[in-house]
Amino acid sequence: DTGVSQDPRHKITKRGQNVTFRCDPISEHNRLYWYRQTLGQGPEFLTYFQNEAQLEKSRLLSDRFSAERPKGSFSTLEIQRTEQGDSAMYLCASSLSTGRGSDPNDYEQYFGPGTRLTVT
Amino acid sequence: GQSLEQPSEVTAVEGAIVQINCTYQTSGFYGLSWYQQHDGGAPTFLSYNALDGLEETGRFSSFLSRSDSYGYLLLQELQMKDSASYFCAVRGDSWGKLQFGAGTQVVVTP
Repeated sequence: DTGVSQDPRHKITKRGQNVTFRCDPISEHNRLYWYRQTLGQGPEFLTYFQNEAQLEKSRLLSDRFSAERPKGSFSTLEIQRTEQGDSAMYLCASSLSTGRGSDPNDYEQYFGPGTRLTVT
Repeated sequence: GQSLEQPSEVTAVEGAIVQINCTYQTSGFYGLSWYQQHDGGAPTFLSYNALDGLEETGRFSSFLSRSDSYGYLLLQELQMKDSASYFCAVRGDSWGKLQFGAGTQVVVTP
C-alpha cells in the first residue's frame, strides 16, 4: 500500500492556460474524490467517482473543470482557461466502498499530498 | 444548502483536554466525520459517527447528537504533536459527498 499519490506536487501557470493533474488512488479503492482547499478553509468537494463512473459533481464547479477516471484506476482533473481564483491546493482522496452502511471502510477517505496550483 | 460551524482556534497546554464543537445544517444526514491536518500535510481520518453517542479511539473521542445537529471531538492528554487543524465533515444529502467545515486550529503549548 503506497498511499494516494498526486502529480505534479506544484504547478505554476499563467492565466488562460490549461492544466491537468493526475491522481493515483490506493489500488483496491473503488471510490475517488477531488477536493479544492484554500488557505484557512476546509477541503471543498468537487466531484467523485465510483470505479469509472462520475457519480456527482459540485453544482459550484465551473464548466472549465472536468475530471475523468477512464479505467477505474487513476484520475485526471483538467482546468481550462485558468483564472487567478483557481489558485488553490487540489486534493485527491480514495476510499473502499462496500455499500454496507455499517462498514467503517465506507467512511474513511485517504487523502493524497495535493497539487498546489498557482495562477499568475 | 448545507453548513457547518466550528470554532476557528483553540489553545491549550500539554496534558489538557480540548473539546471542538461542530454544529451542522443539512438537508439529509448519513454521518459526521473528523479529520486532522498538520500544516503542509494531507487530511487524515480520525473518526466517524453515524449514530448518536460517543466513539472512542485512543486519546480521541467523537460524539454525535442527531436531534441537536451537533457533534464534538474530544482530544485528551494533549501532546505537542496534536497541534494541527481539525475539520468536521458531514455526509449529508449524498452518500459519497463530504462537506467540510472551515476547521479549528488547535495550538498546544508547553
